[in-house]
Amino acid sequence: QKEVEQDPGPLSVPEGAIVSLNCTYSNSAFQYFMWYRQYSRKGPELLMYTYSSGNKEDGRFTAQVDKSSKYISLFIRDSQPSDSATYLCAMGGFSGAGSYQLTFGKGTKLSVIP
Amino acid sequence: EAGVAQSPRYKIIEKRQSVAFWCNPISGHATLYWYQQILGQGPKLLIQFQNNGVVDDSQLPKDRFSAERLKGVDSTLKIQPAKLEDSAVYLCASTRQGMTGGYTFGSGTRLTVV
Repeated sequence: QKEVEQDPGPLSVPEGAIVSLNCTYSNSAFQYFMWYRQYSRKGPELLMYTYSSGNKEDGRFTAQVDKSSKYISLFIRDSQPSDSATYLCAMGGFSGAGSYQLTFGKGTKLSVIP
Repeated sequence: EAGVAQSPRYKIIEKRQSVAFWCNPISGHATLYWYQQILGQGPKLLIQFQNNGVVDDSQLPKDRFSAERLKGVDSTLKIQPAKLEDSAVYLCASTRQGMTGGYTFGSGTRLTVV
């Protein structure tokens, strides 16, 4: 079982739709939860960051973490064509050597159709 | 604040040749990471530096990959000899010492081995 599981999609939605992206994880040591957005031929860009269970909202984006179920979600409201990208979930934790590292999911490719 | 700089952006080499990638982190960021992102997958950690010392290189294929970070600033990642399966995007990221949460990525170097 991989530490982080994410459905790679692709996911195609019409403009204005609500998008739901999800990841599950198995390592209880993960303490920090992030979503990155990666446009084609670009590096990942940090979109949302949280460290506690519950919801965090930023504009059209809502990140949700359920530590008891080891499940995180990203919701995008009123999706726009400019949201078309690959969305990567990332989990932050400390390695056996005590260093902080991120472990990524495979990414979900999203296309928002005008 | 200038971002993480990487060069070259693209590189095509033949198998068994050698190649080197360069990264200049954000000023003041003591921690530097190299990740490998194979097409359709999430980034995978190769090596982590704290200043000019290696913190974690457990996933670095040391028979062919090497990395250094002289003077605790710029870093180079080398592959010698390259294999077809090394075709990927090599991403550099940096963060301040002791910081958790997400870190900042560069745009990456896209390597194609033919």
